[in-house]
Amino acid sequence: KAGVTQTPRYLIKTRGQQVTLSCSPISGHRSVSWYQQTPGQGLQFLFEYFSETQRNKGNFPGRFSGRQFSNSRSEMNVSTLELGDSALYLCASSWETSGSTGSYEQYFGPGTRLTVT
Amino acid sequence: AQSVTQLDSQVPVFEEAPVELRCNYSSSVSVYLFWYVQYPNQGLQLLLKYLSGSTLVKGINGFEAEFNKSQTSFHLRKPSVHISDTAEYFCAVSEPGNNDMRFGAGTRLTVKP
Repeated sequence: KAGVTQTPRYLIKTRGQQVTLSCSPISGHRSVSWYQQTPGQGLQFLFEYFSETQRNKGNFPGRFSGRQFSNSRSEMNVSTLELGDSALYLCASSWETSGSTGSYEQYFGPGTRLTVT
Repeated sequence: AQSVTQLDSQVPVFEEAPVELRCNYSSSVSVYLFWYVQYPNQGLQLLLKYLSGSTLVKGINGFEAEFNKSQTSFHLRKPSVHISDTAEYFCAVSEPGNNDMRFGAGTRLTVKP
């Protein structure tokens, strides 16, 4: 099976712009989570989508949003970019059946490195 | 809410020596515990996980970890490290039914020849 793919791998944007990152989960995985990784704050959970619905949300401002499509692919959008948004954005997918209570391991993509200038 | 503390930010060790990377967690409910490894410019790769059952968990690349509920710890060990084990290691915790995974700050393992 192909792993989690993220596009683009690298991105340079200017303050005030917006950006959209894409994530394709492993085939059959229905849960997609997004994380922000920075040297100062480490790995922080942004949000999780399952069956096109946001199921969990971390402590990030409303400028960070996402969505999931019927094929489980997910996009993350950051509006009005700030310098502090420069980070590695990681997407992770996991297999989980609807109604299960298990927490399955998450498989991570290589990340999108966003630089805001 | 659950949280994770990795007690060492950097661990230097010589090749073929044993290593232990320490992880403590806090949670008011039962937890799932994970160790991930991150090589430069890559995503995270799962080393091992504890969901239930035996407290000694074996993972890939010769790593193992022991879940200690009374000490709320999940330390990662390897009896003999290789140069290729040089990487950042992350301990993570989640609660059953919740994919909001909380990560520790990471431990940079440097294996020297």
